[in-house]
Amino acid sequence: DAGVIQSPRHEVTEMGQEVTLRCKPISGHDYLFWYRQTMMRGLELLIYFNNNVPIDDSGMPEDRFSAKMPNASFSTLKIQPSEPRDSAVYFCASSPGHGATQYFGPGTRLLVL
Amino acid sequence: GQQLNQSPQSMFIQEGEDVSMNCTSSSIFNTWLWYKQDPGEGPVLLIALYKAGELTSNGRLTAQFGITRKDSFLNISASIPSDVGIYFCAGQLMKTSYDKVIFGPGTSLSVIP
Repeated sequence: DAGVIQSPRHEVTEMGQEVTLRCKPISGHDYLFWYRQTMMRGLELLIYFNNNVPIDDSGMPEDRFSAKMPNASFSTLKIQPSEPRDSAVYFCASSPGHGATQYFGPGTRLLVL
Repeated sequence: GQQLNQSPQSMFIQEGEDVSMNCTSSSIFNTWLWYKQDPGEGPVLLIALYKAGELTSNGRLTAQFGITRKDSFLNISASIPSDVGIYFCAGQLMKTSYDKVIFGPGTSLSVIP
């Protein structure tokens, strides 16, 4: 199994630009999570999906952030417009079911100049 | 909201030494998880605990679910250089629906050969 796949691995962009992060969960996993990791705030859950439906987006910082899961094998996290304070590592994770272990992807390191 | 505290924040130890770290919460959890994050990678689950008082081992790692359900401990015996990384505890309160996992701020471990 390839594990959770994220792309790109690194992204450098300028303030105001749109950023799209992509995630392919492990096949058969019903839950997908987006996390943000920074030195100041640690690992924060942004949003999670169950069977492609957003369940809890209370962690999404503001309206500039949006996430979609059009099918069971693909999800995106979009930031528009990006700001320097969005610089962080963004992780996608998936889980096979209710209360089950989450498997993390390698992360996307985002730097907004 | 729910928050986890981990101590120590960082540790520098000699190869071969044993390591102890803990995690405390003001809230009760039904599940405790310990993850390790290698530099440049996503967190990987080490041990999962599901019952108060439970003691579980995974090789040189041993973790315990505190009796009060508000804390957990992780011990690493005979540390080796590849133990270097950040160790996160995480708690989850499973009720009738999926409850999000809350991550601690992490303990950074450095092993001196």
